[in-house]
Amino acid sequence: EAQVTQNPRYLITVTGKKLTVTCSQNMNHEYMSWYRQDPGLGLRQIYYSMNVEVTDKGDVPEGYKVSRKEKRNFPLILESPSPNQTSLYFCASSFRGAIGTGELFFGEGSRLTVL
Amino acid sequence: GNSVTQMEGPVTLSEEAFLTINCTYTATGYPSLFWYVQYPGEGLQLLLKATKADDKGSNKGFEATYRKETTSFHLEKGSVQVSDSAVYFCALAYFNKFYFGSGTKLNVKP
Repeated sequence: EAQVTQNPRYLITVTGKKLTVTCSQNMNHEYMSWYRQDPGLGLRQIYYSMNVEVTDKGDVPEGYKVSRKEKRNFPLILESPSPNQTSLYFCASSFRGAIGTGELFFGEGSRLTVL
Repeated sequence: GNSVTQMEGPVTLSEEAFLTINCTYTATGYPSLFWYVQYPGEGLQLLLKATKADDKGSNKGFEATYRKETTSFHLEKGSVQVSDSAVYFCALAYFNKFYFGSGTKLNVKP
């Protein structure tokens, strides 16, 4: 089954404790991206990757890091989480040629709370 | 810069009512436009798309037309069902980046 898998789905942590949210897709997609969803603000793009070792900033990259060492994986790293990073996070992927058609495949989301 | 503005919700309708959710955009070039739908507890799914001016996207009875002159992409459905209850997001894509509106929650009552 084609899917985008995120882990963990739920996490409560404390300020400053490094954490990683993993994202894996089994569709051989070149394009992967991370979003955060906040009430009244919709989804905002954090980072995206066009392929292995190629990443770029989205609209709200501050406080986040990403890496793309393998095509299927695109982890989101919070080196020193702060309470303003409490949010619902989504990973999404697409074939590179389908980006303009908006055919993003989304994971089920990871709800992060930073105390 | 690029941005998307959509009408505030929630929108509450009776079954078989007509639906319109307004969406306008600002873009520096010629973006592609989309509507995504999010059901409770799930990720977003593409509902329909339009990649150039005057294109009409349609799917599952929903329609939206890319209007360059008014920079709009309003979502419409002639007769909503209870199963259409969800959050709807207008979005644009431009040079590998995606911009989403704030979402409009639709509640359809039997």
